[in-house]
Amino acid sequence: EPEVTQTPSHQVTQMGQEVILRCVPISNHLYFYWYRQILGQKVEFLVSFYNNEISEKSEIFDDQFSVERPDGSNFTLKIRSTKLEDSAMYFCASSTGTSAHEQYFGPGTRLTVT
Amino acid sequence: QKEVEQDPGPLSVPEGAIVSLNCTYSNSAFQYFMWYRQYSRKGPELLMYTYSSGNKEDGRFTAQVDKSSKYISLFIRDSQPSDSATYLCAMSNTGNQFYFGTGTSLTVIP
Repeated sequence: EPEVTQTPSHQVTQMGQEVILRCVPISNHLYFYWYRQILGQKVEFLVSFYNNEISEKSEIFDDQFSVERPDGSNFTLKIRSTKLEDSAMYFCASSTGTSAHEQYFGPGTRLTVT
Repeated sequence: QKEVEQDPGPLSVPEGAIVSLNCTYSNSAFQYFMWYRQYSRKGPELLMYTYSSGNKEDGRFTAQVDKSSKYISLFIRDSQPSDSATYLCAMSNTGNQFYFGTGTSLTVIP
């Protein structure tokens, strides 16, 4: 069964460093998303991406964040200058063009900022 | 303003019981309603989705949406120990940005 994959599973970085989180969505999906979940808190929407551009973003997704689909398979989330409060699980999700709301999640990347 | 409210539990039931999980919401524009199951340290797994009001059944799972009351439910019949997980509701008005509940932790005791 096809699934969303994410790398790395755990990333440790120092405050102020740039990190790139990588995702490989399901191959025939057209909509891509990033969410984060701070430990013990709700899953929070960050951004949605379709047709090589951001279609929607939340207040969390400020200028420190960017997304890119550098090739036909990867979807990345970049945090330019990490802060302690960026420590969280980051989930990538994807969905088809016909059922954009049926989002399938990857296993997540645990980001720890020290 | 909290968009989505969900009782975090924990909820503990004996095997075979019917489980009822609920969420309330404040935004009347929500029209996409989802239920996810999340095992510890894993990503959310899509269980059910419903568009607008009504019921939807899939095996042992039934999702209900009452838009007039801004209330959604997930029922699990004949609960199994493998159903032990955190159940998340999520909803959206656009189908893109989803607002999640805090999740309800469920344990099914053999």
